[in-house]
Amino acid sequence: SAVISQKPSRDICQRGTSLTIQCQVDSQVTMMFWYRQQPGQSLTLIATANQGSEATYESGFVIDKFPISRPNLTFSTLTVSNMSPEDSSIYLCSVGDGGTTDTQYFGPGTRLTVL
Amino acid sequence: GDSVTQMEGPVTLSEEAFLTINCTYTATGYPSLFWYVQYPGEGLQLLLKATKADDKGSNKGFEATYRKETTSFHLEKGSVQVSDSAVYFCALSSNFGNEKLTFGTGTRLTIIP
Repeated sequence: SAVISQKPSRDICQRGTSLTIQCQVDSQVTMMFWYRQQPGQSLTLIATANQGSEATYESGFVIDKFPISRPNLTFSTLTVSNMSPEDSSIYLCSVGDGGTTDTQYFGPGTRLTVL
Repeated sequence: GDSVTQMEGPVTLSEEAFLTINCTYTATGYPSLFWYVQYPGEGLQLLLKATKADDKGSNKGFEATYRKETTSFHLEKGSVQVSDSAVYFCALSSNFGNEKLTFGTGTRLTIIP
């Protein structure tokens, strides 16, 4: 299974600012995913990021609010823009296992608090 | 669309008790089914999975059987330990190759000594 790291692990931000979260994988992967876990809630997929193409966003999420970069096969970033307290969540990236099965492996998450 | 309905929590059990966490799903086609676990302060970990009907996934004493006729994937363990205290998520992937996961709401399990 892939080893995934995220930076920062947590942050406290002011309303109206933006935060960029980094996700690094120890092997090349085709598909990377970004999820949001609001306090006490389940995980919701924000977008799917493939290298070399625009990210695909789920209903309710837009590129202006959550721009994503995928410059290579081991790295991606998610930016949370113009933050409000409702954006306080854990943000997780995940990767597939290369298409052998449809298992995903998750990073440790970034805990974001917006004041 | 796809959905996962999971047993509401929280669930509190005594050590060595039998555990069942119910999970049912709605999906098109033939989804793969997963249980993920989130220990306190940690990230999400894959616990077990099953990719076709009647498959049984198992890991760390936990088991779940893919029941197509009842669209269920209930998680069971015969004798729980304090270290099993965590939040458990049932999930499905209905689009092989796309790998998008749909999660249930999660069940918080607390085991008391």
